[in-house]
Amino acid sequence: DTAVSQTPKYLVTQMGNDKSIKCEQNLGHDTMYWYKQDSKKFLKIMFSYNNKELIINETVPNRFSPKSPDKAHLNLHINSLELGDSAVYFCASSIGLAGDTQYFGPGTRLTVL
Amino acid sequence: KQEVTQIPAALSVPEGENLVLNCSFTDSAIYNLQWFRQDPGKGLTSLLLIQSSQREQTSGRLNASLDKSSGRSTLYIAASQPGDSATYLCAVENFNKFYFGSGTKLNVKP
Repeated sequence: DTAVSQTPKYLVTQMGNDKSIKCEQNLGHDTMYWYKQDSKKFLKIMFSYNNKELIINETVPNRFSPKSPDKAHLNLHINSLELGDSAVYFCASSIGLAGDTQYFGPGTRLTVL
Repeated sequence: KQEVTQIPAALSVPEGENLVLNCSFTDSAIYNLQWFRQDPGKGLTSLLLIQSSQREQTSGRLNASLDKSSGRSTLYIAASQPGDSATYLCAVENFNKFYFGSGTKLNVKP
């Protein structure tokens, strides 16, 4: 039983392309997140959604557009990919907005050539 | 802006040793602090969550303490095992945002 799943696990693409990463959680949580982990292993929050509503948009370029079709899904679409977008992207979920344990997906390693 | 620092960046110990990982944060107005474990190529696994009103949490051989006023947390691992080898990250929550440290990479040698 995978609690938080992401697809694809690896994504290699050319600069300028548009790509999407999907995330699903089967924990019944209300809140979902996208994080970016750079080459120095720093994890930074990008977005959070609570009950399909955008709560946090952490100064992320407009090329990144999250979409939450329902509480269990939070997808990330990236337009006009740049070399600097290469990173590992993690999806996470928690029961509510604050004070709850976060459960992470396995990550999607994006490589932009 | 909240900044989270973890020391040391890497640690190598023989099996059986007790060890302490450190985490410090600049803004003490946190909601909670969470310790995670990350295995190579894998996602994060939550180990312990300490609410701001708590001083410590324990789970098995792990004990995490929190001193909000001084902006510090420690993760104590007793009787370390090779299976404990991983990167350990701490994260603090301010206003619905989690801020992560860069982690301590632990290697426990058999």
